[in-house]
Amino acid sequence: EAGVTQFPSHSVIEKGQTVTLRCDPISGHDNLYWYRRVMGKEIKFLLHFVKESKQDESGMPNNRFLAERTGGTYSTLKVQPAELEDSGVYFCASARVGSTEAFFGQGTRLTVV
Amino acid sequence: QKEVEQDPGPLSVPEGAIVSLNCTYSNSAFQYFMWYRQYSRKGPELLMYTYSSGNKEDGRFTAQVDKSSKYISLFIRDSQPSDSATYLCAMKTGGATNKLIFGTGTLLAVQP
Repeated sequence: EAGVTQFPSHSVIEKGQTVTLRCDPISGHDNLYWYRRVMGKEIKFLLHFVKESKQDESGMPNNRFLAERTGGTYSTLKVQPAELEDSGVYFCASARVGSTEAFFGQGTRLTVV
Repeated sequence: QKEVEQDPGPLSVPEGAIVSLNCTYSNSAFQYFMWYRQYSRKGPELLMYTYSSGNKEDGRFTAQVDKSSKYISLFIRDSQPSDSATYLCAMKTGGATNKLIFGTGTLLAVQP
């Protein structure tokens, strides 16, 4: 069984540009989460999808971030326009409904210069 | 004040040592307590989780939760160089969500 896959693994963009991160969860996992780790800080929750619906987006930093999960399969996280403080590692995790165990992807390292 | 506090280390021990990793927390609503291991350039991997207070053992790993003190621990016995990684504690309130609150992680190096 394939794990959670994230693309790209690393992205370097200039301030003001747009970047789209993609997450492919484990097949059959209706729960999908996005987290972010900024340098020197803890991993922080961004949002939670159940299938295609946003269950909790309380961690989204501002309206420059847009997450989608069309069809309840893969998810994208778009940052537009990117700012320097958006640099960090973005993790995606997925879980079966009712399960305590969330499986994390390897992360996308975003660098905004 | 952060909801979860964790000493970032780094912690360096010789092979075979017993390692103790700890976190404290402030939110008494937390019910699930996890330990994740993260190797460099990889995502966090769940090691163990405990519901409410008590101990849980899995091979060389033992997790302890003391809700009265808001303190959790992970013990690694007979540590191996392959245990070298960042160990993250994480917590959540209910069982239906995996909205996790993480500590900053402790970097562990086990010297051969």
